[in-house]
Amino acid sequence: DGGITQSPKYLFRKEGQNVTLSCEQNLNHDAMYWYRQDPGQGLRLIYYSQIVNDFQKGDIAEGYSVSREKKESFPLTVTSAQKNPTAFYLCASSITLLRGYALNYGYTFGSGTRLTVV
Amino acid sequence: RKEVEQDPGPFNVPEGATVAFNCTYSNSASQSFFWYRQDCRKEPKLLMSVYSSGNEDGRFTAQLNRASQYISLLIRDSKLSDSATYLCVVTPAYSNTDKLIFGTGTRLQVFP
Repeated sequence: DGGITQSPKYLFRKEGQNVTLSCEQNLNHDAMYWYRQDPGQGLRLIYYSQIVNDFQKGDIAEGYSVSREKKESFPLTVTSAQKNPTAFYLCASSITLLRGYALNYGYTFGSGTRLTVV
Repeated sequence: RKEVEQDPGPFNVPEGATVAFNCTYSNSASQSFFWYRQDCRKEPKLLMSVYSSGNEDGRFTAQLNRASQYISLLIRDSKLSDSATYLCVVTPAYSNTDKLIFGTGTRLQVFP
C-alpha cells in the first residue's frame, strides 16, 4: 500500500542535541512538507519542498534544517538552536498537478513524531 | 486578521444531532478548500474537498460561499465516532506552490 511513513513515533532529545526525524513516501508525490503542532494550536509550516534538491522555508524555519536528495525522502533535523522543540511533528506530501498554479487535492500526512526535550 | 478562522468550540452535541461548523477565510482569491478531521494525538486526515456547487458525502455536507468568504460543514445524525477536531483548510491565492493554510480547528464532542 502506498503511504507516508514517519519515524520514530516518539523521540526524546537532550538539551543541546541535534535530532533527525525521518519522512518517507512511496506515493510518487512531488511535494513534501513539515509541520509542527503544539497543544491546542494549529499546524505551522516549517519547511516545504516541491522538487528534489530544492526546498523553501516556511513560517517557523529557525532552528530546523531539511534536505531533499531523493523524491521519496524529506528528513527534518531539529538543531540545538531550536529553543522550544517539544511538539508534534507532521510530515505531508501532495501531488503537484500544474506548476505555477495552486490546485491540488490536499495532503497525505504521516502519523507524526512526538518530540520531547528531557 | 488570520487567513483562516474557526470557532475553536468545543461543540458538545448528543448522538443523532445535526451540527454545523463555519470557517472564514481572508483572501477572496483562494482557490481550493478542504475539511480535514484530526483525532486526538493523531495526524489530520482529509474528510472532503469543498466545491463551489456544494458537495455531500453520506452524513456530511460541505458548502462554499465565495461572496461571504466562508466554508461550512454540516454533520447530520451525529455519531460518537464523529468526536474529533475539524480543520478548515484553504490554498493561497495564485500561488506557485501547493502550500495549504490550516485553521486551528473546531472540536466536536458527541455524547450518548
